[in-house]
Amino acid sequence: SQQGEEDPQALSIQEGENATMNCSYKTSINNLQWYRQNSGRGLVHLILIRSNEREKHSGRLRVTLDTSKKSSSLLITASRAADTASYFCATDGNSGYSTLTFGKGTMLLVSP
Amino acid sequence: KAGVTQTPRYLIKTRGQQVTLSCSPISGHRSVSWYQQTPGQGLQFLFEYFSETQRNKGNFPGRFSGRQFSNSRSEMNVSTLELGDSALYLCASSLDGTRSNEQFFGPGTRLTVL
Repeated sequence: SQQGEEDPQALSIQEGENATMNCSYKTSINNLQWYRQNSGRGLVHLILIRSNEREKHSGRLRVTLDTSKKSSSLLITASRAADTASYFCATDGNSGYSTLTFGKGTMLLVSP
Repeated sequence: KAGVTQTPRYLIKTRGQQVTLSCSPISGHRSVSWYQQTPGQGLQFLFEYFSETQRNKGNFPGRFSGRQFSNSRSEMNVSTLELGDSALYLCASSLDGTRSNEQFFGPGTRLTVL
C-alpha cells in the first residue's frame, strides 16, 4: 500500500519559476526522503529530513516536514528545464529497518 | 566512490521462464533492498538483505526470491514469469539498513515479459 501521497500528480511551469510539491503520509516516521526519477531511470536521492527537523535546505531545494499534519513539501526554486522529472517522497514507516514506502509521485515539467 | 550498479539493464523474457537480476551496492554498504516499479502499482518493496540474511519482505508471491553474498552483492530471482512481472526493478543500498540511513538507488533493470 502507498504510505505517501504526492500532490499534485502533475505540475507544469516555466523555467525560473518555483515548483512546490506536497506529500502526505499515514503512520509515524523516523525520516522522510525525497527522490527524483528521470524517464523511468533509477531514483536519485535528493534530501533526507528527520522527524525532529522542520526544514532542510540543499542548493535550490527546500524541504519542510510537519509531523503533526503528517505532511512534507519540496520546493524547487528557480527551476530549470533539467529539473523535469518525477519526484517521489518515501517514508520509513514503523519497521525498525529502512524499508521505504513511496507515493505515486509528482511529474514536473519545466518548459524553457 | 562508485554508485549502485545493476545488471543487466534490460531484459526480455517469455512467460514461464525465470530470470536473475544482480545488484552491487556502494562499497561499504551492507544492506540491499529491492523494489518493483510499475505504472499501476508504483514503487513497491520486495525484500531487504543485510549480512546475507533476509530481514524484511514485502507482499509478493514466493516466485520472487533473493539472496545476498558475503561481499554484499545481491541477486533477485523471479521464477515462472508472468506478464504482470514486467517492471523496472530497482535495488538500493544503505550502510546498515537502519531507519536513519539514506538509501541510494541503482539505475534499475527493465524487465519485459512477453
